[in-house]
Amino acid sequence: SQTIHQWPATLVQPVGSPLSLECTVEGTSNPNLYWYRQAAGRGLQLLFYSIGIDQISSEVPQNLSASRPQDRQFILSSKKLLLSDSGFYLCAWSVRLGGGYEQYFGPGTRLTVT
Amino acid sequence: GENVEQHPSTLSVQEGDSAVIKCTYSDSASNYFPWYKQELGKRPQLIIDIRSNVGEKKDQRIAVTLNKTAKHFSLHITETQPEDSAVYFCAARDYKLSFGAGTTVTVRA
Repeated sequence: SQTIHQWPATLVQPVGSPLSLECTVEGTSNPNLYWYRQAAGRGLQLLFYSIGIDQISSEVPQNLSASRPQDRQFILSSKKLLLSDSGFYLCAWSVRLGGGYEQYFGPGTRLTVT
Repeated sequence: GENVEQHPSTLSVQEGDSAVIKCTYSDSASNYFPWYKQELGKRPQLIIDIRSNVGEKKDQRIAVTLNKTAKHFSLHITETQPEDSAVYFCAARDYKLSFGAGTTVTVRA
């Protein structure tokens, strides 16, 4: 069965510091991968999605970037965090199944920028 | 791009009653419509989905209906229980999922 991991689970960082969040998927090959951000009490904002290694699309212009150095690894980075970067960061994966695209979320990283 | 609207934003029901959440979408090319349940502090969990060639799907106490002509779909929860309290998100997919803003459901004991 497929499993998705994210780390760290929680993170407290000062404004202006760098960020690196990691997501890995097990049990599947060539997944579509996604990064979402959820502000407190809000909806799901798609940040990046990737259909393959080094193939990444950005949905929202911001101070964040994403990389996919391996098939099942997706990394979210920032050189300088802003207060507004606080939130719950969710990685997700999907594989085409029977004409649909079931998508599953990782456990998330809760980021607080102080 | 796809635009998904979800109503109501909050819903309070008595335990045992039914809950209905409605979503509309804009892109007629969308062909997959999942629903997610998110408990406080947890990840969204896929609870049911429907594809564009199906009008209704049931799984125990939950059901989803789809009207492609009107471009709307709904989640129905029957015999609600306290553990149904959560935020529910609908979504529609053309080439990626677009999510509604969420509905906070509270089941009163």
